[in-house]
Amino acid sequence: DAGVTQSPTHLIKTRGQQVTLRCSPKSGHDTVSWYQQALGQGPQFIFQYYEEEERQRGNFPDRFSGHQFPNYSSELNVNALLLGDSALYLCASSFGAGGTGELFFGEGSRLTVL
Amino acid sequence: EDQVTQSPEALRLQEGESSSLNCSYTVSGLRGLFWYRQDPGKGPEFLFTLYSAGEEKEKERLKATLTKKESFLHITAPKPEDSATYLCAVVWETSGSRLTFGEGTQLTVNP
Repeated sequence: DAGVTQSPTHLIKTRGQQVTLRCSPKSGHDTVSWYQQALGQGPQFIFQYYEEEERQRGNFPDRFSGHQFPNYSSELNVNALLLGDSALYLCASSFGAGGTGELFFGEGSRLTVL
Repeated sequence: EDQVTQSPEALRLQEGESSSLNCSYTVSGLRGLFWYRQDPGKGPEFLFTLYSAGEEKEKERLKATLTKKESFLHITAPKPEDSATYLCAVVWETSGSRLTFGEGTQLTVNP
């Protein structure tokens, strides 16, 4: 049973560029959440997708956007990259939105902005 | 603003030396409290969920407990392989299913 898979694992961008990160949820899960984790910090909630719609959003600017596909996979897009966007981006999946069930996390995508 | 605070920030133990990690939260409608383990460069790995004061969960050398204001993760006779960052996260009644994480406690267990 495949867990949560994310790609790419590492990438380097320059300021002003755009990036797309991808996530496939654990089999049987229909909800995907994205978190940003800066070095030495706890993860911070970006947004959650369920039934192909953004259901909840954290305190992140509109430069951060996402999408969920009919097969439940998801993308995170970040435009006009800033140095401060350098972080580990984590995707987490669960079954059903609004619950307190266990979240399964992927290994993350490490983004470096130069 | 609802907050989650973990202490200590870092903890060094000798193998076999038991200790506890703390997670405190602002009291405003807790729906659930989660403990995760995170190894360097990896995503968080789920350990426990606690829902109500007085609840306890155990897994191998780890035991999580919950009161109305805080949670403890007790580590009994730790081994070097228990070295990791332990993250506490809370779901509030007013926050849907989003997790609010603490900063984590970095645990090092020396042989």
